[in-house]
Amino acid sequence: KQEVTQIPAALSVPEGENLVLNCSFTDSAIYNLQWFRQDPGKGLTSLLLIQSSQREQTSGRLNASLDKSSGRSTLYIAASQPGDSATYLCAETSGSRLTFGEGTQLTVNP
Amino acid sequence: DAGVIQSPRHEVTEMGQEVTLRCKPISGHNSLFWYRQTMMRGLELLIYFNNNVPIDDSGMPEDRFSAKMPNASFSTLKIQPSEPRDSAVYFCASSRDSPNYGYTFGSGTRLTVV
Repeated sequence: KQEVTQIPAALSVPEGENLVLNCSFTDSAIYNLQWFRQDPGKGLTSLLLIQSSQREQTSGRLNASLDKSSGRSTLYIAASQPGDSATYLCAETSGSRLTFGEGTQLTVNP
Repeated sequence: DAGVIQSPRHEVTEMGQEVTLRCKPISGHNSLFWYRQTMMRGLELLIYFNNNVPIDDSGMPEDRFSAKMPNASFSTLKIQPSEPRDSAVYFCASSRDSPNYGYTFGSGTRLTVV
């Protein structure tokens, strides 16, 4: 059974700080890894998708990396802003199903 | 594209009543997934369809839950009879049949059973 773990469970930082969210997974045969953002009471918004053949993806202030050999992915957020406050979820795809981590709840304080 | 569309956004019902949640996937996506999210258990896959056929329903909690996909543009998740422990946010997601594409989620249906 695939397992996805996210550390830390919660993170509070001052505005402007660079930060890293961690995701580890047990299935080395993943197809891809996807990072999502979820605002309170809202749905999931896809941030970045890293295919198994890729090492990283970038979108604006976000950079996600993938290391299949170690079973790890990181989401780097540069120059954090209060609007980045949300829960960030990573999910790995193997076969046709997504397996989610429990998320990191990020608070960026002005 | 309007994205994955779910209805209703909120549903409050009494225990024992039948509840039907609806989902319209993105056109051209041939895989559809139903997830349930609770504080205690996080996001759980209930069932997924590929080309309108149920592939894996091992996550469906019990016989009170059923899901159908009569065509490529519509799916339903039904709970009959509903119980308070079914209260959760139910998400529908769709994707293309390739690992090169990610998943797109709907906004969810918040179900409260009283």
